[in-house]
Amino acid sequence: GENVEQHPSTLSVQEGDSAVIKCTYSDSASNYFPWYKQELGKGPQLIIDIRSNVGEKKDQRIAVTLNKTAKHFSLHITETQPEDSAVYFCAANYGGSQGNLIFGKGTKLSVKP
Amino acid sequence: GAVVSQHPSWVICKSGTSVKIECRSLDFQATTMFWYRQFPKQSLMLMATSNEGSKATYEQGVEKDKFLINHASLTLSTLTVTSAHPEDSSFYICSALGRGIHEQYFGPGTRLTVT
Repeated sequence: GENVEQHPSTLSVQEGDSAVIKCTYSDSASNYFPWYKQELGKGPQLIIDIRSNVGEKKDQRIAVTLNKTAKHFSLHITETQPEDSAVYFCAANYGGSQGNLIFGKGTKLSVKP
Repeated sequence: GAVVSQHPSWVICKSGTSVKIECRSLDFQATTMFWYRQFPKQSLMLMATSNEGSKATYEQGVEKDKFLINHASLTLSTLTVTSAHPEDSSFYICSALGRGIHEQYFGPGTRLTVT
């Protein structure tokens, strides 16, 4: 079945450094790849997404890259800040529907001041 | 951005009772709503998808008679956990898609504890 693998499961960086989280997906029909940030006890918050017709998208300190041939996409956070500490989930749609998402297992990012 | 609310934010109920969780889209019409369950330190698992005015579609392994979903209007979906058991204790999160909104926005979640 459809699957999304996410690595690493935990990531600790020093404030100001960059953080990279990688995901791979299995459904070749997937064409929508959102990233969510979840703080403790809260719902996931969409931080950036990318569709398959582009290879990279950037929003201030956050960027996402997509390699459709290799079926992987990555989240890049530059100049990390302590408030970036949270669990990050990647997701990919499946079944041809943008609404049906399958999530990675999450990456707990810790930014040390 | 689109806002989705949930009520209550947390609830404690006794084993065998039922509890209802509401999910509302506050500033858009939600043609499709999704219900997820998240256990501690785990990812989100889709339970069911509901379209306004039609029956919900449940994921494999989710008991439709236990988790009743109603999507009666374009701004409200409800999840009722019937005959709750301690193993139903979890974080329940809804999300919504709307007309002209191509991203899935999530509610803040409801923490259910069954004693």
